[in-house]
Amino acid sequence: QSVLTQPPSASGTPGHRVIISCSGSSSNIGSNSVHWYQQIRGAAPKVLVYRDSQRPSGVPDRFSGSKSGTSASLAISGLRSEDEADYYCAAWDASLSAWVFGGGTKVTVL
Amino acid sequence: EVQLVQSGAEVKKPGESLKISCKGSGYNFTNYWIGWVRQMPGKGLEWIATIYPLDSDNIYSPSFQGQVAVSTDSSINTAYLQWSSLKASDTAIYYCARLTTNCLVSDCFPTKYWFDPWGQGTLVTVSS
Repeated sequence: QSVLTQPPSASGTPGHRVIISCSGSSSNIGSNSVHWYQQIRGAAPKVLVYRDSQRPSGVPDRFSGSKSGTSASLAISGLRSEDEADYYCAAWDASLSAWVFGGGTKVTVL
Repeated sequence: EVQLVQSGAEVKKPGESLKISCKGSGYNFTNYWIGWVRQMPGKGLEWIATIYPLDSDNIYSPSFQGQVAVSTDSSINTAYLQWSSLKASDTAIYYCARLTTNCLVSDCFPTKYWFDPWGQGTLVTVSS
């Protein structure tokens, strides 16, 4: 059972929009930054969004992050086949004194 | 280019010891926290521990405290994760990752830090 809760799967057709949710609590998302990681099958994770909504250089603006209260979300617009991957949210949890990850959401492009 | 390169795959028996490594390049190794993350087969990411090479300050996940040890050798820009007695349940891919921030004030750690970049991962298989 992960501290941050994500749906196990999400899917969409090419060109459409997918939104992945990440639910936490006041000790993690509610008071600290949320970061999103993409893990393409067989590869190491890479950061997609950091500090709630900022994108590293090189990450397309099709990816956007937002946060409200104790929940965060990652939106992927203009879905492409190369977006098929596992996506993880993460944050520092002040009560646990630990970085915590969501269980991951597998995105499938139909 | 900032890069983390990890040591190769390991196959060990239960009860054996192991030390895997993570070599940083392209940045000032001593000034950045390094974290370790576990990914068990078919499962998600779990944070293990984080260490600051300059003074070896460290933070362990309560779930891993006492099960593993982290260390660094700044003379060769390398971080380590080690076990004294492996169990079959330690079978997993282990990633190292640098903790990065764009926060300019002093009270940003750890809340405004994220893991970037990541090493390629080290597969550890423990089987009798």
